[in-house]
Amino acid sequence: DTEVTQTPKHLVMGMTNKKSLKCEQHMGHRAMYWYKQKAKKPPELMFVYSYEKLSINESVPSRFSPECPNSSLLNLHLHALQPEDSALYLCASSQPREGLYQPQHFGDGTRLSIL
Amino acid sequence: AQKITQTQPGMFVQEKEAVTLDCTYDTSDPSYGLFWYKQPSSGEMIFLIYQGSYDQQNATEGRYSLNFQKARKSANLVISASQLGDSAMYFCAMREGLRNTPLVFGKGTRLSVIA
Repeated sequence: DTEVTQTPKHLVMGMTNKKSLKCEQHMGHRAMYWYKQKAKKPPELMFVYSYEKLSINESVPSRFSPECPNSSLLNLHLHALQPEDSALYLCASSQPREGLYQPQHFGDGTRLSIL
Repeated sequence: AQKITQTQPGMFVQEKEAVTLDCTYDTSDPSYGLFWYKQPSSGEMIFLIYQGSYDQQNATEGRYSLNFQKARKSANLVISASQLGDSAMYFCAMREGLRNTPLVFGKGTRLSVIA
């Protein structure tokens, strides 16, 4: 069992739909991340939240909108997605303290398919 | 330039044998951390092992060990006594600097364990 929980595990949506991906962790971590992973590729960083504030946005299109309501929750709001946005979306968390040993702990991911 | 290079797209190993997955990295920062993650077909990214740039000894975690050769900028993962459950994608990743910078992943190596 992972300590980072992502829901839903699978999502199929049309290009005009609005949906949200959710991520929850109870490890007391204050940094949370969204990654996008296409098949047979490494994860690509999308967003980083540190102490509930957006600290990194890797030039992600505005049809992806992140939200961090509190230190345990991270959402990714989706609107007007394109077929190329179909991918595995991974959430991760870590301690944001300075120091090298800060492994990120990942959830199981949400497999998103855009019709 | 690639910061993390994994030159083996796929590897096969006989059950109970040892296998080495290669990883080389590129950084000019004296402070960095190297991580290995395992990703089964289910999608979850599982943290395996960590090596810091100032660590004097190679890291070990159960059947996993990291062969860290700083002068060659390599951080190879060694899995001893391979099991069928080790079949997965393996990613090498790096964080540079002492601040909470994002992970940079290599392209991964797919390991298949044969009975």
